[in-house]
Amino acid sequence: DTAVSQTPKYLVTQMGNDKSIKCEQNLGHDTMYWYKQDSKKFLKIMFSYNNKELIINETVPNRFSPKSPDKAHLNLHINSLELGDSAVYFCASSQPSGREQFFGPGTRLTVL
Amino acid sequence: QKEVEQNSGPLSVPEGAIASLNCTYSDRGSQSFFWYRQYSGKSPELIMFIYSNGDKEDGRFTAQLNKASQYVSLLIRDSQPSDSATYLCAVNIGGGGADGLTFGKGTHLIIQP
Repeated sequence: DTAVSQTPKYLVTQMGNDKSIKCEQNLGHDTMYWYKQDSKKFLKIMFSYNNKELIINETVPNRFSPKSPDKAHLNLHINSLELGDSAVYFCASSQPSGREQFFGPGTRLTVL
Repeated sequence: QKEVEQNSGPLSVPEGAIASLNCTYSDRGSQSFFWYRQYSGKSPELIMFIYSNGDKEDGRFTAQLNKASQYVSLLIRDSQPSDSATYLCAVNIGGGGADGLTFGKGTHLIIQP
C-alpha cells in the first residue's frame, strides 16, 4: 500500500542512452512532481503536473520530458544521457490546493 | 530568485536536549513552510508544516515562523539518537499546491547518546 512508488530503484546506463523512470501515486492527488537531488544532496524541482498539464518547468534541459498518461502516473524520460545527469530523482505528489508534498523512494541514476 | 538558506552543520546535540534548526528565505511572497527529515539513502519525509506566524507544536516538534524576519525554525525537544538525520527546510510560493517546493541545502543533525 505504498503511497508514492517509483521504478526502477537503481538505474545504471551509458552516456548517450535514453532511459525512463516511472512514478505512480495512490493518494488520489492531482499534482505530481519530479525533483533532482545531486551529489551534494541539494534537492531541486524539475517539473510539476496538474491534471496532466505542465504547470512549471524549471531551467531543465529539453532532454528531460515528463509524460503523464493519467493523474496517478508521471513518468520521466531522459534522452542522450550525460554524466551530469547522475543523481537521485524523486517523484512527489500533493493535492492542488494542499501544500504538503509526499515523496517516493527515489531512483538513483548513474551515467557511466 | 527564490532562495532558502540553512546552516549545513553538522549540528551536534546531546541526547535529551533541545535541537534548534534555523532557516531563512529570500522571497517575501512565500506562504507555506515545511520541514522534511531525510535519512541517508532515503526519501524526504514531511515532519512539520506551518502557514501562519507563530508557533505550531506536534509532539516533540515545534515549528516557528516569523514572516517579518523571513525566518522559520524547527525545535526538537528531548532529542533522540533516531532524530539524527538531515533536516530540509522548504518553502512554497503562492497559495496553491501546484508550485514545487524550494529547498534549502539541509542541516545535518547528530544526536549524541
